[in-house]
Amino acid sequence: DVKVTQSSRYLVKRTGEKVFLECVQDMDHENMFWYRQDPGLGLRLIYFSYDVKMKEKGDIPEGYSVSREKKERFSLILESASTNQTSMYLCASSPGGQPGNEQYFGPGTRLTVT
Amino acid sequence: KQEVTQIPAALSVPEGENLVLNCSFTDSAIYNLQWFRQDPGKGLTSLLLIQSSQREQTSGRLNASLDKSSGRSTLYIAASQPGDSATYLCAVRISSGSARQLTFGSGTQLTVLP
Repeated sequence: DVKVTQSSRYLVKRTGEKVFLECVQDMDHENMFWYRQDPGLGLRLIYFSYDVKMKEKGDIPEGYSVSREKKERFSLILESASTNQTSMYLCASSPGGQPGNEQYFGPGTRLTVT
Repeated sequence: KQEVTQIPAALSVPEGENLVLNCSFTDSAIYNLQWFRQDPGKGLTSLLLIQSSQREQTSGRLNASLDKSSGRSTLYIAASQPGDSATYLCAVRISSGSARQLTFGSGTQLTVLP
């Protein structure tokens, strides 16, 4: 079974702090994604990566950056956390090749910025 | 821009009922459609993936259909159980060839009453 893990289930940070969210997958997938999920807005794509050191902006990249130094690990970075970044963050991965391959999701990190 | 709508936003049924969840999308040029289940505070679990060339997919008590021309998909759940209570999300992938193009609906929150 594909396994996608996220470093924290719950996280509380203060405004202005630098925040790192880590995601690891164990199936050698090329593609990895970061989404945020908010009530009434559904899931929105922040960034994705289709290979090591490669990244592309999603629909809402402002205020975020990402890092992919190793194939299995994709990090989301909030350079200076703000209260409007309080949300549920979901990581996903999928095999490369066919663009329509199924995405597998991690359990999510609920981030609260106070 | 692709938009995905799920109606109703919430649904409550007694145990044992058969039910249908609806998903509609505005651009019929999709690559595939995926149904997910999300339990409260958790990540997404993939239920069914329907390729654009398929009409339906089945897994156990679940059956998903796809009508590309009308921009609709349905998820049929037979003999519902309290354990089916969750939020159900549909997501469509457009035919652009890029790994990023997955658009989610806001979900239907299902409650199955014992």
